[in-house]
Amino acid sequence: GAGVSQSPSNKVTEKGKDVELRCDPISGHTALYWYRQSLGQGLEFLIYFQGNSAPDKSGLPSDRFSAERTGGSVSTLTIQRTQQEDSAVYLCASSFRDRFYEQYFGPGTRLTVT
Amino acid sequence: GIQVEQSPPDLILQEGANSTLRCNFSDSVNNLQWFHQNPWGQLINLFYIPSGTKQNGRLSATTVATERYSLLYISSSQTTDSGVYFCAVGYLGSGAGSYQLTFGKGTKLSVIP
Repeated sequence: GAGVSQSPSNKVTEKGKDVELRCDPISGHTALYWYRQSLGQGLEFLIYFQGNSAPDKSGLPSDRFSAERTGGSVSTLTIQRTQQEDSAVYLCASSFRDRFYEQYFGPGTRLTVT
Repeated sequence: GIQVEQSPPDLILQEGANSTLRCNFSDSVNNLQWFHQNPWGQLINLFYIPSGTKQNGRLSATTVATERYSLLYISSSQTTDSGVYFCAVGYLGSGAGSYQLTFGKGTKLSVIP
C-alpha cells in the first residue's frame, strides 16, 4: 500500500511569511509524529498525535509552531512568521498505536526561509 | 534530558568490509532503535532493540542496557549501505501514551566500490 506522503516536497518562503506543511499517514495508522531535521540541531521530535487524544506538543520550539490533525488522518504543521532558523527538513511519520517502534517516515518537506 | 552519542561521526569503507557503529546513552532506557537515512533522505527503521541481539541479513545489533550502549554491525558492506545511521532512544510519555524519539547525531557511512 501507499506509504506516508508529504507535501510540498520543497518550500521556499520569505522571512515573516506563514507556511503550511501537510502529512498523509499510512491508512489505519492512528499515531502520527512530526520531526525536524536541521544541520545545527539534528533530528528533533516536534509533536505526537494519537487518535482523538490531546496531542503531545512538548517538542514544539515556539508558539509560532502549531499542528492539527483532522479526522484522525491528515495532519498540517503550520509555522507562523517564519524565521531563518526554521529552515530544515520537516519529517512526518506514522505507526499503529501499539507498534510505536515501527514508525514509517515520509520523504520530508525541505523548508528554506530566505 | 537523555543524551545520545554516536561514534564514529564519519566512516569510509571499502565494499566488502565490516564495520561496527556505537551508540552510548546517558540514562537507562527501555526503547532503543536504529535507523538508516539513505542519500535521498528517506529514513528507515532497522532495529527496535531495547536489549539483547537481533540480526537482519547482513546487519545485526546488540544493546547492553545495563552498560548504556548499543552496537550496530554491518558485514560485507555494499554501496547501498551508504547513508547516515541514527541511534534513537524512545520515551513513552504519560497521558495519551506519547512516544518521543531522541536521536543521536548519526554516523555517516560511505561505502566505496
